[in-house]
Amino acid sequence: GAVVSQHPSWVICKSGTSVKIECRSLDFQATTMFWYRQFPKQSLMLMATSNEGSKATYEQGVEKDKFLINHASLTLSTLTVTSAHPEDSSFYICSARPGSMNTEAFFGQGTRLTVV
Amino acid sequence: QKEVEQNSGPLSVPEGAIASLNCTYSDRGSQSFFWYRQYSGKSPELIMFIYSNGDKEDGRFTAQLNKASQYVSLLIRDSQPSDSATYLCAVISGGYNKLIFGAGTRLAVHP
Repeated sequence: GAVVSQHPSWVICKSGTSVKIECRSLDFQATTMFWYRQFPKQSLMLMATSNEGSKATYEQGVEKDKFLINHASLTLSTLTVTSAHPEDSSFYICSARPGSMNTEAFFGQGTRLTVV
Repeated sequence: QKEVEQNSGPLSVPEGAIASLNCTYSDRGSQSFFWYRQYSGKSPELIMFIYSNGDKEDGRFTAQLNKASQYVSLLIRDSQPSDSATYLCAVISGGYNKLIFGAGTRLAVHP
């Protein structure tokens, strides 16, 4: 399957600082990338849909000013958690879809964020 | 009503048995359905996808789709302890470019 690389795989940061997570599609162009958050023993919750060259579409309840998404190219999307707080500690996962709307999505390795 | 619903389990089956995982979805316009497997602390990996009504087989896995009843299932034959994981059902929400996940069913295969 297609390869999606996510970096970093884990990060610890101080409360109030910002953290940037990168998601790259290595062997395909991804018009659309998705960002999910997963708390322990819970399912993946879609945070936002990132479209290359346009503004991201955020799900209800997700603060767009706190979770900044940039999708500047067909192979790279970034999620920046601004002014992180301990409650933002979670597993963040990106996914990308290589083709049309109905094709499968491939996932990055995930980033475990711990805010202390 | 949640968009994608699964029984959280755990579903416990003996080694060699058939594991049956079920999923229902609310958006009748959905066209694409996926089963992912997720091990603890890891990101999901795709097992199968299905677009058409009926059965689709791939090795020990069979996906079944019934759009009229809005359910999709996954059968795992000859279950192995290594199949123990959380299985996530995902649906592309009809008309929207979103992949929505169910809560997942935890499967435990015991020797």
